[in-house]
Formats: sequence, C-alpha cells, structure tokens
Amino acid sequence: GAGVSQSPSNKVTEKGKDVELRCDPISGHTALYWYRQSLGQGLEFLIYFQGNSAPDKSGLPSDRFSAERTGGSVSTLTIQRTQQEDSAVYLCASSSGSHRGENYNEQFFGPGTRLTVL
Amino acid sequence: KNQVEQSPQSLIILEGKNCTLQCNYTVSPFSNLRWYKQDTGRGPVSLTIMTFSENTKSNGRYTATLDADTKQSSLHITASQLSDSASYICVVSAGFSGGYNKLIFGAGTRLAVHP
Repeated sequence: GAGVSQSPSNKVTEKGKDVELRCDPISGHTALYWYRQSLGQGLEFLIYFQGNSAPDKSGLPSDRFSAERTGGSVSTLTIQRTQQEDSAVYLCASSSGSHRGENYNEQFFGPGTRLTVL
Repeated sequence: KNQVEQSPQSLIILEGKNCTLQCNYTVSPFSNLRWYKQDTGRGPVSLTIMTFSENTKSNGRYTATLDADTKQSSLHITASQLSDSASYICVVSAGFSGGYNKLIFGAGTRLAVHP
C-alpha cells in the first residue's frame, strides 16, 4: 500500500509570503504528526493529531504556524508571513495508534517538503 | 526536563568495520525506545523498538541494547556497508495517561561508511 506522501517536495518562497504544505497519511492511521528538521539538526516536534481529540500544538514555534486535519485524513500545515528562519524540511508522519508489539508507536514518515524562504 | 542525547555527533568508518552509536536519555515516564535510520533526503524509518523489560533487540546487522537503570541505549552495526551511511536517530517515548505518548528525539548520529 501507499506510504505517507507530502506535497510539494520542494517549495521556494519569498519572505513574507504564506505557504501551505500538505500531508496524506497512510489510510486508516489515526495519528498524524508534523516535524521540522533544520539542516544538520534533529527533528523538532510541531503538532500532533489523534483521531477527533484536540491536537497537541505545543511544538508550534509561533502563531504564524497552524495546521488542520480535515476528515481525520489529509493535513495541511500553514506558515503565514514566512521568515528566513522557517527554511527547513517539514516532515509528516502517521501512526496507527497501535499499542501492541513492534507496531507500538511506530511512525511512518513521508519524504518531507523542503522549504526555502528567500 | 525530557532529553535525549546522542553521541558521537558524526562518525566515519571503513566498509566492513563495526561501530556503536550511543543514546542517553532522561525521559519520564519511560515507555519505549526506538532507533530510526534516516537516509539523506528521506524520512526516518524504524529499525528497532525496545520496552522497559527488553535489553537487546536485533534487526539483521543492527543490534540495539537498552539499560533502563542507567538510561542508556546503544546501536551496534556489524560489518558495515556503504548503504549504512545515514543519520541514526534515537527516539524515546514518554507514556502518559490515556495512551498518549510524547516522543522525544535525539539530534542523531551522522554515519558515513567509506569504501
């Protein structure tokens, strides 16, 4: 079956513009995560969706960042008034929410969207 | 504060050699620890997962260990191959009530295997 897909794969924008990044999780996965990875750095948690529960937004760096997950499937991460420090790879992951064995908590990652803010 | 620290930050080895990557964590309440491999330009892929009661887990040439007392984990790669060149990320899950687990990511070790 298909894995997690993200679009676009690359996005170049000008400082001050808004951008939208899309994530299509694995079908049936109830949990969806967004991360940011700056060059040579580790993953930085941004936001987590689980089913119909209120999302955990504790990782969003500023109010310019927001995310939605419509219908419990596709998610969109929006960055308003982009700044140069927003340049990074934005990774999306989904999880089945299983609490058993090897599948416990396993997150399946998409290829990421490389955002460059000029 | 929940933290995961990995060492070394980067490592270069020759093809065919073994290596060991380290992960120290201060995460509470501990649920499980997972090692991911991230190839350049790709998303991370899970290699192994260990819970509190497990102290070793193998996946082919990869063997992970966990010492829950000292809060340390290692990933040992045997007979390295060029395709092992990647970043290896240690991820510790903190388990909270209601089944919600918060993941704490290490910064990763960047491994380069040279011919």
